[in-house]
Amino acid sequence: EVQLAESGGGLGQPGGSLRLSCAASGFIFTEYEMNWVRQAPGKGLEWVAYINSRGTMVKYAESVKGRFNISRDNAQNSVSLQMNSLRAEDTALYYCAREAAVGATGFFDYWGQGALVTVSS
Amino acid sequence: SYVLTQPPSVSVAPGQTARITCGGNNIGSKGVHWYQQKPGQAPLLVVYDNSDRPSGIPERFSGSNPGNTATLTISRVEAGDEADYFCHVWDESSDHVVFGGGTKLTVL
Repeated sequence: EVQLAESGGGLGQPGGSLRLSCAASGFIFTEYEMNWVRQAPGKGLEWVAYINSRGTMVKYAESVKGRFNISRDNAQNSVSLQMNSLRAEDTALYYCAREAAVGATGFFDYWGQGALVTVSS
Repeated sequence: SYVLTQPPSVSVAPGQTARITCGGNNIGSKGVHWYQQKPGQAPLLVVYDNSDRPSGIPERFSGSNPGNTATLTISRVEAGDEADYFCHVWDESSDHVVFGGGTKLTVL
């Protein structure tokens, strides 16, 4: 059974840092690209970051570029999101999502339950 | 940046057909994916690549993408289908994932 379990959420100070982790199990982790998607309270989904299966290519939404860093540890079957220079608008539930693909189109076939990040002084 | 437009809400009586649209420039040239999200739950993939269903998703859920509007169709709507629905594409010009704003489906 595919499982994704986020951890590391909590209260962060404006300008501060937090690190999220996602532990993956039930599938061959090295065969899949991974993403982080967030959802502000009462709002829609916003894609945050992507990392390829080997960790050699990353992409970021403009709203987090230069502040957030996605990485993965294929030996530990985990993906992380280092969040720096936090802003109030980063407050959201952060989901880890596995990316599957059909041809050139990728989609998110499994999601974790999310980690809540609150940025406030 | 690429924008996907969904109606904020759709209402339908049980047993009827719900159609949720997702509009975008030349969206017919893209693969569109749909997610269902119930309160307090993570999103669930219900349609991928315009019209394919993951295993375990009822045949009542179907998708199409013939032109400038992609549509998620839910036939024989049940009370348990009440949820938010989001469309998703990949925008090649920005190389970014884009989500629609979401549609709240209410079963009357």
